[in-house]
Amino acid sequence: DTAVSQTPKYLVTQMGNDKSIKCEQNLGHDTMYWYKQDSKKFLKIMFSYNNKELIINETVPNRFSPKSPDKAHLNLHINSLELGDSAVYFCASSQGVQGRSDTQYFGPGTRLTVL
Amino acid sequence: AQKVTQAQTEISVVEKEDVTLDCVYETRDTTYYLFWYKQPPSGELVFLIRRNSFDEQNEISGRYSWNFQKSTSSFNFTITASQVVDSAVYFCALSEAGSGTYKYIFGTGTRLKVLA
Repeated sequence: DTAVSQTPKYLVTQMGNDKSIKCEQNLGHDTMYWYKQDSKKFLKIMFSYNNKELIINETVPNRFSPKSPDKAHLNLHINSLELGDSAVYFCASSQGVQGRSDTQYFGPGTRLTVL
Repeated sequence: AQKVTQAQTEISVVEKEDVTLDCVYETRDTTYYLFWYKQPPSGELVFLIRRNSFDEQNEISGRYSWNFQKSTSSFNFTITASQVVDSAVYFCALSEAGSGTYKYIFGTGTRLKVLA
C-alpha cells in the first residue's frame, strides 16, 4: 500500500536527452510537490500543484515542466538534460488545506544521473 | 525571509549515548509550522513530527523528544539512548501559513552516525 510512489527509481541517461519521472499518490491529497536534492543533500522545492493548478514555480529552468493530469498524479518532464540536473528528485503530497501547512509525505525518490 | 539553520553538519556518537540535533529558524509569520524528517541510508524521507507555532509543548515519542522554544526560535530534537538504526540525515523544515503555498524550507540537514 504505497502512499506516494515514483517511477523510475533510477534513471541514467545521456546529456541532451528528454526524460520523464512519474509520481502518484493514493492518499486522496489535493496538493503535490517536486523537490530536488543535490549531491550535498540540500532539498529545494521546485513545483507544487493544488487540485491540478500550479501554485509554486520556483526559479527552475524552463527545461523542467510539471504536468498534473489529475490530482493524484504529478509528472516531471525534463528536456535537454544537462550534467547539473543529476540529483535525487522527490515527489511529495499533502492535504493542502487553505491556510494550513499539512504534513508532506514523500515518495522514495528518483536518482537521476546524466552522463 | 524564512530560513532554517542546522549548524551541525555531522555528529558521531557511540550507541546508547543521548544526542541533540539543533534547529534554528527565522520567520516573520506569526503562524508557521515546523517539521523533522529522517533520511536513512536507503534514501527515503520519513516524517517524524509536525508542530505549529501556537503549540510550544514539548513532545516525547519513545526515545525521541522535541523541544520547541519560540523565544530562541529553536526546535531541537533529542534522541535518548541512541541506536545504530538512528544513523541517518535529519532535516528540520519550516512552512509559513501566510505564504499560501504550503512550501517547506529545509535546513541543510545533520548527518548522525551512531557507532556500535
